Amino acid sequence: EVRMVESGGGSVQPGGSLRLSCAVYGFTFSSYWMHWVRQAPGKGLVWVSHIISDGTRTSYADSVKGRFTISRDNAKNTLYLQMNSLRADDTAVYYCAVLSSGSDFDLWGRGTLVTVSS
Amino acid sequence: QSVLTQPPSASGTPGQRVTISCSGSSSNIGSNYVYWYQQFPGAAPKLLIYRNDQRPSGVPDRFSGSKSGTSASLAISGLRSEDEADYYCAARDDSLSGRVFGGGTKVTVL
Repeated sequence: EVRMVESGGGSVQPGGSLRLSCAVYGFTFSSYWMHWVRQAPGKGLVWVSHIISDGTRTSYADSVKGRFTISRDNAKNTLYLQMNSLRADDTAVYYCAVLSSGSDFDLWGRGTLVTVSS
Repeated sequence: QSVLTQPPSASGTPGQRVTISCSGSSSNIGSNYVYWYQQFPGAAPKLLIYRNDQRPSGVPDRFSGSKSGTSASLAISGLRSEDEADYYCAARDDSLSGRVFGGGTKVTVL
């Protein structure tokens, strides 16, 4: 079965850190660019970051640049998002995703909730 | 403020045709594919349209996408109650080196 499962979300105080993980099953993880997309409560989708298939190149939204780091372990079929200096406006459900780049293969996890509050 | 602009809401009665617009720029829609997603409350988004106008298998042909210049649109014909959801457009943005999404359109079936 093709699926992705995020973990690592939770509650953290402003300025704190969290590391999200996304375990991938049922497809060749190492062949795909991977993305993190977040959705604040009651708000729309916002792209956060991506990493290319071999992990050598990354890109970030301006809102998280310098605070978040995306990485991947192709041997463990796992994607990560290290989040530092968290702020209240980082509160959101974080989805890991394979976003379509011209094909119909597009896959999202169920998301993990990150709450930043004092 | 989303990079791609969508109307916040759209509505129609069962059987009607509803169209959702998505406006961007030359760095995103103007030079890249447009994707459309459907999202129900509490669920992850689901790909509805890829490569501007292509439907993944399993997506009803009531859903259609089009693109012209720096704008795109999603049409839902023969509107059904189960189409009540949030719809998002998306595209790669060459200036931002990443994906951008529209703010989302909530479709209500009256």
